[in-house]
Amino acid sequence: SQQGEEDPQALSIQEGENATMNCSYKTSINNLQWYRQNSGRGLVHLILIRSNEREKHSGRLRVTLDTSKKSSSLLITASRAADTASYFCATDVTGGGNKLTFGTGTQLKVEL
Amino acid sequence: GAVVSQHPSRVICKSGTSVKIECRSLDFQATTMFWYRQFPKQSLMLMATSNEGSKATYEQGVEKDKFLINHASLTLSTLTVTSAHPEDSSFYICSASGAGGRVETQYFGPGTRLLVL
Repeated sequence: SQQGEEDPQALSIQEGENATMNCSYKTSINNLQWYRQNSGRGLVHLILIRSNEREKHSGRLRVTLDTSKKSSSLLITASRAADTASYFCATDVTGGGNKLTFGTGTQLKVEL
Repeated sequence: GAVVSQHPSRVICKSGTSVKIECRSLDFQATTMFWYRQFPKQSLMLMATSNEGSKATYEQGVEKDKFLINHASLTLSTLTVTSAHPEDSSFYICSASGAGGRVETQYFGPGTRLLVL
């Protein structure tokens, strides 16, 4: 299965700290995307990084991609209580017709 | 921009009945729509991919006669769960791609929670 593995499964930090989540996958990809899901809600697209990119920033988010290790990381800096959510990586597999395969997710809790 | 809606947001039905879920792209024409299912505390699993005017492509293990998908226009796709049973209770989420001519990014609806009694 292409499904990505994410770690940690759950992460609890204090407001103001940084949160790092990791994602590993198995096959060649066109791009990798990160999404956020608040409890019982739909997904919000955070950032897309293409296979020929190594790092991307968006506000307090920083994503890295290492295609040789088939892994990606999402860093949220200066976390806020509102960042509390589940975070999923999703891979757009080469030749997959833009279908996304989601990772197992990381549940992030940011405490005041 | 790139808003996707789903209706209903929540539905409770009796075992054996059919349930239809609508997915609409409100401000763009979606070349492709995707249907996912998510069980509690789990990730999203792709059920099927649909393109306007053509038959949906189902993922392995998804019964196409049970989960009927109709993609009648560039802004509307429907998923009908036929003869629903308690094990079909789940969170169903659709997504649409094609906003701004880009196919890479999927925009997700808010999801529909189905409870089959």
